[in-house]
Amino acid sequence: NAGVMQNPRHLVRRRGQEARLRCSPMKGHSHVYWYRQLPEEGLKFMVYLQKENIIDESGMPKERFSAEFPKEGPSILRIQQVVRGDSAAYFCASSTGTGGDEQYFGPGTRLTVT
Amino acid sequence: RKEVEQDPGPFNVPEGATVAFNCTYSNSASQSFFWYRQDCRKEPKLLMSVYSSGNEDGRFTAQLNRASQYISLLIRDSKLSDSATYLCVVFRGGYNKLIFGAGTRLAVHP
Repeated sequence: NAGVMQNPRHLVRRRGQEARLRCSPMKGHSHVYWYRQLPEEGLKFMVYLQKENIIDESGMPKERFSAEFPKEGPSILRIQQVVRGDSAAYFCASSTGTGGDEQYFGPGTRLTVT
Repeated sequence: RKEVEQDPGPFNVPEGATVAFNCTYSNSASQSFFWYRQDCRKEPKLLMSVYSSGNEDGRFTAQLNRASQYISLLIRDSKLSDSATYLCVVFRGGYNKLIFGAGTRLAVHP
């Protein structure tokens, strides 16, 4: 009964490179959320996806960031041309999506941009 | 003004103490409320949901006051293992996203 899985757990990228973060939701969950946590700050919502659909991307930076949740496979958060300010913990959560229900978080990916 | 506000702490308390955390939220359309716990460099874990009638889970009691837009968490008989950051979280229906407070740090010492 695996929980939310994220990989890699740690990712180091040089400025200008691309970062790809993966998230597999809990079994039976069709709704995925991405959050970012900067050092010493709270979690901030980025994007909410269902299979093949972006439902709400109001928290995503306008440039360089994109997310998808294909019909098959994990959800991907992609950051192009990373900058030092992108260094953060990126958490994925999933839910059954029946409204107001609990979201369960993965262990996160810690991105470090050097 | 942040949508969910918490005292960042830290709260340093001895084992066995009772400690209370408060949280206020600004959006009256908020529907559901939660307390999450986050250990250092780990993912947030749901501690408990919060209801207007108040709810209790062992040593933990949560309360919601919709009129004042105020949420509380009470921890009785603190244990060393309670040391963590406690996150006040609000859910807004229709948006399906959780709005997190910045967290309150608790350190329980022997």
